[in-house]
Amino acid sequence: AQSVSQHNHHVILSEAASLELGCNYSYGGTVNLFWYVQYPGQHLQLLLKYFSGDPLVKGIKGFEAEFIKSKFSFNLRKPSVQWSDTAEYFCAVNPTGGFKTIFGAGTRLFVKA
Amino acid sequence: DAGITQSPRHKVTETGTPVTLRCHQTENHRYMYWYRQDPGHGLRLIHYSYGVKDTDKGEVSDGYSVSRSKTEDFLLTLESATSSQTSVYFCAISESETGYTGELFFGEGSRLTVL
Repeated sequence: AQSVSQHNHHVILSEAASLELGCNYSYGGTVNLFWYVQYPGQHLQLLLKYFSGDPLVKGIKGFEAEFIKSKFSFNLRKPSVQWSDTAEYFCAVNPTGGFKTIFGAGTRLFVKA
Repeated sequence: DAGITQSPRHKVTETGTPVTLRCHQTENHRYMYWYRQDPGHGLRLIHYSYGVKDTDKGEVSDGYSVSRSKTEDFLLTLESATSSQTSVYFCAISESETGYTGELFFGEGSRLTVL
């Protein structure tokens, strides 16, 4: 079955620290890839997406992600986190041509001021 | 703003009672989804729709049914609610008109508690 794995369930960082959240998926075909963010008490919002082309994609609020096809990975990065980045982050995959988007279990990030 | 409204936003019910959650969109998009969110599980797809009266099951469809009699409304029904269905339910839509891309816009969520 297709699945999405997020390596870290909880991450605690101090402000200005660098962030990298891991995401791997198990699907051998072409995929569209996403990172969503959910701030406390809110619904999910799109952070960034990859459909094709440059494997390094930039999203909102200084986030970026790199697609490495050979590793089936789509890791999320930010050079310097802020307290306002405290949220839960979800990696998601859509096998191209299908009607479903599959989500990982999420990573809760807490940034200490 | 994707124009998605979920109702009710909060509901407490008792085991064995039927519950219907409504998702309403204002922009006539083709694809609509129901997910449930539980700690440690992320979002899991319950059912989805790719057109009026066209629906299919997701990964956790047991105990749930859906209906879509018009483009703007997608209803999720729990025929006989159980405590394991206590969750936050999110409706989502895809705005793509050229085919599903996987990019979703979410509603505000409906928190359901089954006692």
